[in-house]
Amino acid sequence: QKEVEQNSGPLSVPEGAIASLNCTYSDRGSQSFFWYRQYSGKSPELIMSIYSNGDKEDGRFTAQLNKASQYVSLLIRDSQPSDSATYLCAVRVYGGSARQLTFGSGTQLTVLP
Amino acid sequence: EAQVTQNPRYLITVTGKKLTVTCSQNMNHEYMSWYRQDPGLGLRQIYYSMNVEVTDKGDVPEGYKVSRKEKRNFPLILESPSPNQTSLYFCASSWRQTYEQYFGPGTRLTVT
Repeated sequence: QKEVEQNSGPLSVPEGAIASLNCTYSDRGSQSFFWYRQYSGKSPELIMSIYSNGDKEDGRFTAQLNKASQYVSLLIRDSQPSDSATYLCAVRVYGGSARQLTFGSGTQLTVLP
Repeated sequence: EAQVTQNPRYLITVTGKKLTVTCSQNMNHEYMSWYRQDPGLGLRQIYYSMNVEVTDKGDVPEGYKVSRKEKRNFPLILESPSPNQTSLYFCASSWRQTYEQYFGPGTRLTVT
């Protein structure tokens, strides 16, 4: 079963704080993990991809992957009002013909000035 | 400019009238995919294509068709649209090695 779960939120953090977004997945065959940001009325935009256990940092963003516990998280440091958006977690399952992406339903983040 | 384009951006149609939503990318990506996005249900994959003439079903393929005759184009066809296909549709493309997808601007479809 290819299922990806996220807390729908809304999650509110004050400006300058760390925002922590979490995602769990059910399929142990999952190979690749992605975080997308989607502003209201716009298309999803890739922020981070992570393929192996551990942390991956890019600017203010850090993705963390723990395959044993089947979760991936996104930390946003020094949150800005412009970070207010819905964040989508996506998981790629590899196996047979199931080479497709499954998205979580997203977490709505609001950064308060 | 690297981009994924979709047309039309907005479409209102009636039940049963065949329609096609076009998708084109200029990045020479092998992988292309169609999604629909509905409130509370998130992004759900309709069909995907690993390369020319290679397509496969996603999670919600019923009522849709696709074709991939050229690498850059991946049209979505609704042969007999129904009101439950009212949704926001996104096309996306990526390199097959990474699956880091670029999304088109979206097509908002209303079927009455």
